[in-house]
Amino acid sequence: LAKTTQPISMDSYEGQEVNITCSHNNIATNDYITWYQQFPSQGPRFIIQGYKTKVTNEVASLFIPADRKSSTLSLPRVSLSDTAVYYCLVGDTPWANTGGFKTIFGAGTRLFVKA
Amino acid sequence: DVKVTQSSRYLVKRTGEKVFLECVQDMDHENMFWYRQDPGLGLRLIYFSYDVKMKEKGDIPEGYSVSREKKERFSLILESASTNQTSMYLCASRTADGELFFGEGSRLTVL
Repeated sequence: LAKTTQPISMDSYEGQEVNITCSHNNIATNDYITWYQQFPSQGPRFIIQGYKTKVTNEVASLFIPADRKSSTLSLPRVSLSDTAVYYCLVGDTPWANTGGFKTIFGAGTRLFVKA
Repeated sequence: DVKVTQSSRYLVKRTGEKVFLECVQDMDHENMFWYRQDPGLGLRLIYFSYDVKMKEKGDIPEGYSVSREKKERFSLILESASTNQTSMYLCASRTADGELFFGEGSRLTVL
């Protein structure tokens, strides 16, 4: 399984765009990249998932370069409520339903949004 | 909405006690997971199950066992609790598209 590396923490101000980069040098051909958000005393919550190029949804964008060895989660115009831990995951094809599929989390990036 | 329910939010147990953590999901997902979360270590996978009665070890299975007798229920068992098992335990189920849905977590303290 590909190991991921993220910054431990980041600071930002309300209204700014925040970009969190994740390194995954050993990503495999079948691996997808997924990001989760976690608030204190809650379980993580899915944000976005992608395989290559760019994916955008109502809360974030995910940029994946051609070599796929890294990915960047982009949060537009953050607010105080975006203060959370963000996890980057790399794993096998999402529809793989065989034994052996694991979902491995790293230590995550703690984002602080200030007023 | 998918709902993953963990039986207890907070538990306090004594060393050597047997502990059961229950998790129920209501979306007929085949894959379910148990993680523990500790400060500075993120989430670590204990066990996962890809079908009824099927299970596989995660990264830190020592001291734990699991049971999946019904599709909607995945139980984590600590046969003899120890103080180093004091942690937040998170259960998740996974959709066919690979999205994980987590429960609220169970904070276990072993004295």
